[in-house]
Amino acid sequence: NAGVTQTPKFRVLKTGQSMTLLCAQDMNHEYMYWYRQDPGMGLRLIHYSVGEGTTAKGEVPDGYNVSRLKKQNFLLGLESAAPSQTSVYFCASSSLTGGDTDTQYFGPGTRLTVL
Amino acid sequence: GEDVEQSLFLSVREGDSSVINCTYTDSSSTYLYWYKQEPGAGLQLLTYIFSNMDMKQDQRLTVLLNKKDKHLSLRIADTQTGDSAIYFCAESASGGSYIPTFGRGTSLIVHP
Repeated sequence: NAGVTQTPKFRVLKTGQSMTLLCAQDMNHEYMYWYRQDPGMGLRLIHYSVGEGTTAKGEVPDGYNVSRLKKQNFLLGLESAAPSQTSVYFCASSSLTGGDTDTQYFGPGTRLTVL
Repeated sequence: GEDVEQSLFLSVREGDSSVINCTYTDSSSTYLYWYKQEPGAGLQLLTYIFSNMDMKQDQRLTVLLNKKDKHLSLRIADTQTGDSAIYFCAESASGGSYIPTFGRGTSLIVHP
C-alpha cells in the first residue's frame, strides 16, 4: 500500500493564479482531511470529508474549495491564490472502525509558495 | 471549543529522558494521541491512549494520562538524536465525526 500520497510536492504560484492539490489514499478510508501547517500555528483544518460526495468546512476554509468525487481522492483548490496561503499543506485519511485504526494517516505534504 | 496546549520547545541531552507535556480542555475526549513529525515529512502516529487508561508503555515511550487534570505526557527514555522532531498531542471524542484537535507541537532538540 502506498498509504496517502500528495501531488505536487512543491509549487510556486503568483498572486491570483489557481491550482489544485491532489490527495489519494489506497486504504479505503471514509474520512479525508486537508490541513495547513504554518510555523508556530500547528495544524489547522481547512476542509474535511466524511465520505464520497460529501465535504465540510474546517477551521480555516476561506479561499479554498474541495471535492470528493471518488472515495480515494480528495482535491483542494485555490481559485485565486494569495500570499497568505503560502504554507505546507497536509492531507490525511482515517477510518471509523471504533478501534485502533481510528487514527489519521498523513501524506508527505505539499509546500506552496505564493508570490 | 476544544483546546490543546503544549510548550513549543524542549532541549535535552542525548541519553537523558525527555518529557513532553500536553493539556486539553474537552472532558469528552476519548482518544489521546502523540504524533511525531520529522523535518520535511508528514505526521506519523507514535502512540495513543484511551481515556479509561492511566498509563501506556511502548518500548522507550511512556504515556501518562491524568484525566482529572486533563494532562497528558509523553516520556522518551534514553533520548537519541534521531528523536529530534516536532511532537504533536491530539485528542478526539468517540462517536460521530472523527475530527481530532491538535496542539501546536513541541520541537524536541537532542544535543550530544
